[in-house]
Amino acid sequence: SQQGEEDPQALSIQEGENATMNCSYKTSINNLQWYRQNSGRGLVHLILIRSNEREKHSGRLRVTLDTSKKSSSLLITASRAADTASYFCATGTSQGGSEKLVFGKGTKLTVNP
Amino acid sequence: NADVMQNPRHLVRRRGQEARLRCSPMKGHSHVYWYRQLPEEGLKFMVYLQKENIIDESGMPKERFSAEFPKEGPSILRIQQVVRGDSAAYFCASSPTTATYGYTFGSGTRLTVV
Repeated sequence: SQQGEEDPQALSIQEGENATMNCSYKTSINNLQWYRQNSGRGLVHLILIRSNEREKHSGRLRVTLDTSKKSSSLLITASRAADTASYFCATGTSQGGSEKLVFGKGTKLTVNP
Repeated sequence: NADVMQNPRHLVRRRGQEARLRCSPMKGHSHVYWYRQLPEEGLKFMVYLQKENIIDESGMPKERFSAEFPKEGPSILRIQQVVRGDSAAYFCASSPTTATYGYTFGSGTRLTVV
């Protein structure tokens, strides 16, 4: 079953602007991760934030996690055309007796040059 | 993600045929996960395997789908008697531990059923 729900479903911005994507989830988590997928390609891991962390940075990426609201946000600063891709949040959960990643439906980001 | 090898990259099958998708995990990884992605959708968990064991198959359809990860060789996802609705991208990920960090994904197999 889907766990994360990203918002918005699609986002179009100009190069240089910031892009913010949100993710909400339903059950308790061990960690939350963000992935990027270019059209027709595999997934690339961007960043992981553990359930006891509130904020994490990696280059132009900033991730926040609010476990009380069961939500996370991914901020990409100073966006570039090359950032055009779909972005997925994935929650690391213990479900059905095993740990696994459960993905949301993604946000399709278009950065216009 | 060349370290997790999936083949073939593209597979076309007629309705009723069998599809076999292969996944060679990253060296040193003994945990394999299969996901299915429909067009414009996220990835849906199918099955989690360790060598010679199915740990969690809660996402696998009850019929026609099976998976294995033998002691030697790649993990195989098998779909018997394919139907049009099986058309999707199938991704494999591997991990060195049971934890959900450290996943490495393959480039996927795109199955088209005609």
